[in-house]
Amino acid sequence: EAQVTQNPRYLITVTGKKLTVTCSQNMNHEYMSWYRQDPGLGLRQIYYSMNVEVTDKGDVPEGYKVSRKEKRNFPLILESPSPNQTSLYFCASSRGGDLSYEQYFGPGTRLTVT
Amino acid sequence: GQSLEQPSEVTAVEGAIVQINCTYQTSGFYGLSWYQQHDGGAPTFLSYNALDGLEETGRFSSFLSRSDSYGYLLLQELQMKDSASYFCAVLSYNTDKLIFGTGTRLQVFP
Repeated sequence: EAQVTQNPRYLITVTGKKLTVTCSQNMNHEYMSWYRQDPGLGLRQIYYSMNVEVTDKGDVPEGYKVSRKEKRNFPLILESPSPNQTSLYFCASSRGGDLSYEQYFGPGTRLTVT
Repeated sequence: GQSLEQPSEVTAVEGAIVQINCTYQTSGFYGLSWYQQHDGGAPTFLSYNALDGLEETGRFSSFLSRSDSYGYLLLQELQMKDSASYFCAVLSYNTDKLIFGTGTRLQVFP
């Protein structure tokens, strides 16, 4: 089954404790992306990657890191989480280029930072 | 900057027709996409307009007018299961970033 998977689905952590949210897709997609969703603010792009070893900042990259060492994986790293990073996070993938208008989303990770 | 504005909420009854508008202040994009998101779920792709005009997919249609910086999603024969949030989005030529609108919550009543 074609899908994007994220882990963990739910995470409660404390300020400053490094964490990684994994994302994997099995569709051989070139384009992968991370979004955060907050009430009233819609979906905001954090980082995106157009291919292996190519990553770019989205609209809200501060406090986040990503890496794309393999085509299928695109982990999101929070080196020192803060309470303002409490949010719902989505990973997404697409075929790339002008076909990136159709993105496939993972189930989401709800993160709470206390 | 680039922004896409949508009404925050729309209500309608089963069987009715509803239009969700998306106005944007951006240039240089491939086309306008629409996504649906049910409460607790992930966004799912609904439709895409690369060119101006109307695209129809079953009960849903989407429209784009680049000259008016405007698009809309039209939902016909509304069903209770259509209650969800709907987002428009554009893919920038220059950056390949996908920028989402603020989202519209549709509530369908019996």
